[in-house]
Amino acid sequence: QQPVQSPQAVILREGEDAVINCSSSKALYSVHWYRQKHGEAPVFLMILLKGGEQKGHEKISASFNEKKQQSSLYLTASQLSYSGTYFCGTAGGSYIPTFGRGTSLIVHP
Amino acid sequence: DAGVIQSPRHEVTEMGQEVTLRCKPISGHNSLFWYRQTMMRGLELLIYFNNNVPIDDSGMPEDRFSAKMPNASFSTLKIQPSEPRDSAVYFCASSPRQVNEAFFGQGTRLTVV
Repeated sequence: QQPVQSPQAVILREGEDAVINCSSSKALYSVHWYRQKHGEAPVFLMILLKGGEQKGHEKISASFNEKKQQSSLYLTASQLSYSGTYFCGTAGGSYIPTFGRGTSLIVHP
Repeated sequence: DAGVIQSPRHEVTEMGQEVTLRCKPISGHNSLFWYRQTMMRGLELLIYFNNNVPIDDSGMPEDRFSAKMPNASFSTLKIQPSEPRDSAVYFCASSPRQVNEAFFGQGTRLTVV
């Protein structure tokens, strides 16, 4: 079953912050975040494993709460290059992710 | 390394025809995935291979779809017969191990008319 992402779309100005949420109805062992620019392949951002960890990647970080079966992606001081569609993938014991429908992020100058 | 290589990049075919999509994973990667992307469903996992063996094909839509991985450097996804609803972008991805980032190819845009 696909995880649910919210919001479906976000429009920002450069320098603003954004949060993308991902929730699942199933028990999770890992959460995978990818970004896809228009017409390109998805590109890996990070994996978070069971244990409630947080990770950071420049100004993009994420948290994973396996008890709530949720993950959030935080984009701080957004840049034009952050524009794209963000996918979360949630996985059970196989660690093979099932992806949500994505959140479209548009950053304007 | 050249990354994951998919061919063709674009395919237009008539309904009822057989379509074969090809993928060359990154050398040394032992996990390979086929995904289908549409506006309606997003990114769906079709099948997953580990060490050339199909592990999970529960995402394959129906018997018209089949996938093979005859060796570590090549995989195919075949649709026979194709239907207009199969129109989508098909991605192949590989990973050095199961719990790791997946590297995606550039995709094959399939249009069935």
